[in-house]
Amino acid sequence: GAVVSQHPSWVICKSGTSVKIECRSLDFQATTMFWYRQFPKQSLMLMATSNEGSKATYEQGVEKDKFLINHASLTLSTLTVTSAHPEDSSFYICSAPEGSGSSDTQYFGPGTRLTVL
Amino acid sequence: AQSVSQHNHHVILSEAASLELGCNYSYGGTVNLFWYVQYPGQHLQLLLKYFSGDPLVKGIKGFEAEFIKSKFSFNLRKPSVQWSDTAEYFCAVNTNAGKSTFGDGTTLTVKP
Repeated sequence: GAVVSQHPSWVICKSGTSVKIECRSLDFQATTMFWYRQFPKQSLMLMATSNEGSKATYEQGVEKDKFLINHASLTLSTLTVTSAHPEDSSFYICSAPEGSGSSDTQYFGPGTRLTVL
Repeated sequence: AQSVSQHNHHVILSEAASLELGCNYSYGGTVNLFWYVQYPGQHLQLLLKYFSGDPLVKGIKGFEAEFIKSKFSFNLRKPSVQWSDTAEYFCAVNTNAGKSTFGDGTTLTVKP
């Protein structure tokens, strides 16, 4: 099946710094990618939809100025956590559907664990 | 907005026992339904999906799920679990916009 990669797999940063997380579809093109946040023992919460060639759409309650999303190409989306604080520590997961329909399977990246000190 | 409810937060079974995990969704329009599994230390993987046709869907590793439209349910089943099925299971709904809404997940622990 299709493969989605994320980089880095884990990152530790100081409070106030910015962190960039990359999400790549390795063997297919994705005009849309999704970014999720997962807290320990909880479900995935959709943060935003990354759209190639246009602005990302954010879910209610997600600060777009804090979580910057750039869909630079059909295989790459980046999430930048700006001025990170300890409460931003979480597991960030991206996904990409192989097609463009709602029945398409989402392929998930392995996730990035962010720890903000 | 759509929502997904998984009834069981943590299920503990012995090997060879039968499994049924409940999933109900709330959405008035057309939905596509998924079950994902997350093994310890691994990323989410698709178990099975339903988008049309036969409401009884068979997936990988002997799992199946039945879509009952009248009950807004999509329960996951497996006749005989194995220790290797120990994992977190997530039910998810996609709407026409393609976005996924996930249930809170069910942790399955299978005792050898």
